[in-house]
Amino acid sequence: EDQVTQSPEALRLQEGESSSLNCSYTVSGLRGLFWYRQDPGKGPEFLFTLYSAGEEKEKERLKATLTKKESFLHITAPKPEDSATYLCAVQAANDYKLSFGAGTTVTVRA
Amino acid sequence: DGGITQSPKYLFRKEGQNVTLSCEQNLNHDAMYWYRQDPGQGLRLIYYSQIVNDFQKGDIAEGYSVSREKKESFPLTVTSAQKNPTAFYLCATARSKETQYFGPGTRLLVL
Repeated sequence: EDQVTQSPEALRLQEGESSSLNCSYTVSGLRGLFWYRQDPGKGPEFLFTLYSAGEEKEKERLKATLTKKESFLHITAPKPEDSATYLCAVQAANDYKLSFGAGTTVTVRA
Repeated sequence: DGGITQSPKYLFRKEGQNVTLSCEQNLNHDAMYWYRQDPGQGLRLIYYSQIVNDFQKGDIAEGYSVSREKKESFPLTVTSAQKNPTAFYLCATARSKETQYFGPGTRLLVL
C-alpha cells in the first residue's frame, strides 16, 4: 500500500525566514509526485508534478525537489500570502488514484 | 480551477436521508474523482471514473454511490448507510492518469 508522510504538521515562520517541508513516501513504482496548496475552505490548487529522482521545479518563492524516498518543498523568503496547507501526493505507475499525506500547515507572520 | 464547479457549497443532511453532491467540468477531461477530506487526515478516494458509463470504487466507497452518464458530470450520492458523512468533499478531474485538478469543494454537515 502506498504511504505518504508529511512533516512537520505545522510550521510557523517569520516573513523572510526560509524553510523546507518534507514529504516521505513509499510506492510501488512512482509515476508522479504532486504538490498542492490548499487555503482554508477551498479546494487544493496544483503547484508541481515531479516524475523522477533529481528533478526540480520552481514557482515564485517555491521550489520542489525529489529523491527516491522523499520530496522537499523549499519556501524562500516567504510572505504572509504563502500561508496555507501544503499537500503532497503520490501516484503509482498504472494507477489512477493519488495517495495523499495529511499536509503541512504553514503560517507566515509579517 | 474555474473549469470545475461543485454545488452546493454547504449541504445539510438529516438522519436517514440521501443527499447528492454535484460536480461539473468543462475541461473536456476524461477522468473524474471524488475525495473526502477530514481534519488531520489526507484526502481519501471514494470513487473514480475513467470514461462515461464506467466507474470504480476507491478506498472508502461504502455508503456512497456515483453515476457517470455524461463526460461533464459525476454526481456523488451520500446514502443513509454512510454513518459518518460529515466532511469536506472534493471533486477532481484529469486527462486520463495525468495531473488532477480540484473543484472548490462541498462541506456536508449532519443535522
